[in-house]
Amino acid sequence: SQELEQSPQSLIVQEGKNLTINCTSSKTLYGLYWYKQKYGEGLIFLMMLQKGGEEKSHEKITAKLDEKKQQSSLHITASQPSHAGIYLCGADMGPQGGSEKLVFGKGTKLTVNP
Amino acid sequence: KAGVTQTPRYLIKTRGQQVTLSCSPISGHRSVSWYQQTPGQGLQFLFEYFSETQRNKGNFPGRFSGRQFSNSRSEMNVSTLELGDSALYLCASSLEGLEKLFFGSGTQLSVL
Repeated sequence: SQELEQSPQSLIVQEGKNLTINCTSSKTLYGLYWYKQKYGEGLIFLMMLQKGGEEKSHEKITAKLDEKKQQSSLHITASQPSHAGIYLCGADMGPQGGSEKLVFGKGTKLTVNP
Repeated sequence: KAGVTQTPRYLIKTRGQQVTLSCSPISGHRSVSWYQQTPGQGLQFLFEYFSETQRNKGNFPGRFSGRQFSNSRSEMNVSTLELGDSALYLCASSLEGLEKLFFGSGTQLSVL
């Protein structure tokens, strides 16, 4: 089955520190999405990347998609307690995905200590 | 603009029973998709409906079914519940497809 590998599984940082979360696929992706989830709640859309080499930023969060469209990173600058939550990457596998057109990584749990 | 509404928020059922979950999308959104989230398997795509037709389907058994009404509201049904069906079920809506999804808060289903 198609899989997205996220790393690390969990991350604990001190407020003000920078951090990076990675998302890797063995196949070329048609679209890569980043979401944030508070425990037991729904997901909140952060960013969508579709082109190889694309980079997008929103406030202190920057996401990049590599040229081969198989790896993405999410970088948070000067982290704040409000950044805490679970970050998930999701990907549109396109026609190659078959029944698993949309897949998600297992998530990265971020804790930001004040 | 109201968000995606899912009802009920919590549900407790016993094995063998069936359950129906409801999802009201954001006004104007025509695509509704459903997901199952468990600690072990993570977030998994169940199916997507667009204009009352199932457009995409994940790798789940036929016990999981859904439908969409003309007002874009959607229901998901799980028959013959198993213990492993205990999960957070999330519904999401979007204008056209699986990009930029807006999620509801989910229905937490416990099967005893």
